[in-house]
Amino acid sequence: DAKTTQPTSMDCAEGRAANLPCNHSTISGNEYVYWYRQIHSQGPQYIIHGLKNNETNEMASLIITEDRKSSTLILPHATLRDTAVYYCIVRVGGTSYGKLTFGQGTILTVHP
Amino acid sequence: AAGVIQSPRHLIKEKRETATLKCYPIPRHDTVYWYQQGPGQDPQFLISFYEKMQSDKGSIPDRFSAQQFSDYHSELNMSSLELGDSALYFCASSYPGRNTEAFFGQGTRLTVV
Repeated sequence: DAKTTQPTSMDCAEGRAANLPCNHSTISGNEYVYWYRQIHSQGPQYIIHGLKNNETNEMASLIITEDRKSSTLILPHATLRDTAVYYCIVRVGGTSYGKLTFGQGTILTVHP
Repeated sequence: AAGVIQSPRHLIKEKRETATLKCYPIPRHDTVYWYQQGPGQDPQFLISFYEKMQSDKGSIPDRFSAQQFSDYHSELNMSSLELGDSALYFCASSYPGRNTEAFFGQGTRLTVV
């Protein structure tokens, strides 16, 4: 699986957009970008995933660069409950059972 | 909506004892994953099953074994427990289809004393 690189930590003001970057310069053509978050020892929570097109759901937006070497997760209006560790994961596509390999994520702190 | 159920939520065992963790996937999910998360660490992939067959294996110690049963629930068996096995153990499941997301349970906190 491709290695990802994320900032160790980021801060965001409540109500503002949180933009979390991820570098995955060695990503292969059949690998998807997944984002999960983990709120203090709870089970990781799925946020969003995509291959090459930008994606949006009720939680967030995912922007993938045209060369697919990096992506940005956008939380449009961060709240205090969004404080968590955010993981960017590259996963081999084509099946439903490819493993998710967690690396060092970004600790996002949302402050009032 | 139904979620992944793990039991027990907390477990305390002594060194050299055995432990069995159970995972009940979301209905109609056919794939189960097991992860271990030590204190201050990121989740580490242990093993996964697809349609009751092992589909991938990670850094799972030889003292551990797992299987997926006909009803798709899974059990992680841990023997000769060591202090270093103290961790959160997460199970996740995903449904049939390509590139589907995996949903995690709330985990079992194992403490070995």
